[in-house]
Amino acid sequence: NAGVTQTPKFQVLKTGQSMTLQCAQDMNHEYMSWYRQDPGMGLRLIHYSVGAGITDQGEVPNGYNVSRSTTEDFPLRLLSAAPSQTSVYFCASSPVDRASGGYTFGSGTRLTVV
Amino acid sequence: AQSVTQPDIHITVSEGASLELRCNYSYGATPYLFWYVQSPGQGLQLLLKYFSGDTLVQGIKGFEAEFKRSQSSFNLRKPSVHWSDAAEYFCAVGDLNSGGYQKVTFGTGTKLQVIP
Repeated sequence: NAGVTQTPKFQVLKTGQSMTLQCAQDMNHEYMSWYRQDPGMGLRLIHYSVGAGITDQGEVPNGYNVSRSTTEDFPLRLLSAAPSQTSVYFCASSPVDRASGGYTFGSGTRLTVV
Repeated sequence: AQSVTQPDIHITVSEGASLELRCNYSYGATPYLFWYVQSPGQGLQLLLKYFSGDTLVQGIKGFEAEFKRSQSSFNLRKPSVHWSDAAEYFCAVGDLNSGGYQKVTFGTGTKLQVIP
């Protein structure tokens, strides 16, 4: 039972580079989301998806793109990395049944932009 | 807009002592409330959740939380803390009418230190 798998675990980028953070889940969860975690700010929602082909913006979407072509995968793309995007990124998934509420989180990707 | 306040950034307790972590939320409708725990270098793990029924909910690892609508609070408690409980704890609120899973808002966290 793998749960939510995020790759890579660590990444260093130069300003202006692009990259994709991968997120895959094997629980057939309809809902997936990306958060960033910064010291003293908790977790802030970047983008989310309620199913394949459906995505929407969260609280801090600028500089990030997402797509959801399958139920399992929800990659996060940084278009042109900036030092302000240095953070720890978490992917989370959930069923859409309210009684089953609560996210399953990946172990995170620590991104440094220099 | 919904929000969550965790007024304590750091808390230190002695092993075996009781613990209460505070959480206040702001939400106009019926909230869906969560507590998560994060060990260093790890993702968050769900401790417990509340969306209806008994206002005292039991979670994993011996934790419980009580929903008090009149105080807009959802405090986390444990009667006797173990050294392995040292971690960061996050309270979160979701919109029950949207299933409780969409656009969940997290507090800024409380770091728990446990001393011998």
